[in-house]
Amino acid sequence: KQEVTQIPAALSVPEGENLVLNCSFTDSAIYNLQWFRQDPGKGLTSLLLIQSSQREQTSGRLNASLDKSSGRSTLYIAASQPGDSATYLCAVPQNNAGNMLTFGGGTRLMVKP
Amino acid sequence: NAGVTQTPKFQVLKTGQSMTLQCAQDMNHNSMYWYRQDPGMGLRLIYYSASEGTTDKGEVPNGYNVSRLNKREFSLRLESAAPSQTSVYFCASNWGPGQNTEAFFGQGTRLTVV
Repeated sequence: KQEVTQIPAALSVPEGENLVLNCSFTDSAIYNLQWFRQDPGKGLTSLLLIQSSQREQTSGRLNASLDKSSGRSTLYIAASQPGDSATYLCAVPQNNAGNMLTFGGGTRLMVKP
Repeated sequence: NAGVTQTPKFQVLKTGQSMTLQCAQDMNHNSMYWYRQDPGMGLRLIYYSASEGTTDKGEVPNGYNVSRLNKREFSLRLESAAPSQTSVYFCASNWGPGQNTEAFFGQGTRLTVV
């Protein structure tokens, strides 16, 4: 059974810092890995989808990397802003017809002005 | 673009009452999912529908039923609500297996069972 872990569970940084969120998974046979953002009381917003054949994917100040062999992904946020404060979740699909996602526990990020 | 739409957004039920959570997607996705999110437990899959006409149990299906009404709509029914079903429920959809299949989520239904 796929297990997904995110470290750290919570992170507080001053505005302007570059930061890295970590995601690890136990089964490397994945189609892709997806990073989401969740604001308090809101739904999940897709940030980046990184395909199994890719090593990196970028969107604005966000960069996600994927190392399937080691079962790891990182989300790099450049020049963090208070508006980046949210919970960040990574998820991988199960390799079957259902393709349902298995989620990590999330990293709760606070960027202080 | 509407994406994935869930109704209602909030609901309070008494123990034993029934209700149906509605979900619709306008992206022509094949697969649809229902998750619940609880503090300390993360997101857990309740039921899914890999394609129109099929449904399967996920990790926590007890106390729930689902209907894939058509390709767009996937409903979740609580037949006799229990306090343990107090949670935030999310519907999601994607194309199905494949590298490019990005999942999209609705805004959630916050359910309280008293």
